[in-house]
Amino acid sequence: GQQVMQIPQYQHVQEGEDFTTYCNSSTTLSNIQWYKQRPGGHPVFLIQLVKSGEVKKQKRLTFQFGEAKKNSSLHITATQTTDVGTYFCAYQRGGADGLTFGKGTHLIIQP
Amino acid sequence: DARVTQTPRHKVTEMGQEVTMRCQPILGHNTVFWYRQTMMQGLELLAYFRNRAPLDDSGMPKDRFSAEMPDATLATLKIQPSEPRDSAVYFCASGLGVGAGETQYFGPGTRLLVL
Repeated sequence: GQQVMQIPQYQHVQEGEDFTTYCNSSTTLSNIQWYKQRPGGHPVFLIQLVKSGEVKKQKRLTFQFGEAKKNSSLHITATQTTDVGTYFCAYQRGGADGLTFGKGTHLIIQP
Repeated sequence: DARVTQTPRHKVTEMGQEVTMRCQPILGHNTVFWYRQTMMQGLELLAYFRNRAPLDDSGMPKDRFSAEMPDATLATLKIQPSEPRDSAVYFCASGLGVGAGETQYFGPGTRLLVL
């Protein structure tokens, strides 16, 4: 079935460096959501993108939805230790409400 | 601060035993989702309900898993009999039921270990 591939699987950065995770689909997505999960925690909703080419910002986080609505990215500027966790993209298949998640990118920050 | 609650938070049981996990969605949310998270498979949708009616349980093993919503404030996920491969974190999430693109609010999860 339809899947989204997330890369990289793991990313080690020094505190203060930037971080980007990518989410790629072989088919057009109606929308995409991003979630963050802290170690030992639960997924927490960050943002939803719906429009082709959409860009949204939340402080140091920038989210993009590709023109073809087949890929998305999350960029964090100047990472902080509080950014540690796993970042997931997720989408809804057709009219279904349940989410299909990517495998996530684990962000590890070295002080 | 409204939150989804789940009980128990941790469960260790032996193979063959029945396991029941409970979820209280955020008051006013009419859509409830069950997800399972493992290292190998990641986060997978098991089933979801809207207004207490099951809409999709295609992700759930039918022979041993069952999900119900006895009332609007309680959702249950039952495994009978449990197997070691069921060991995972089970998350409940709730939403406002506006359909595509709705935000889902996750509970803290039930960490299940089947020996």
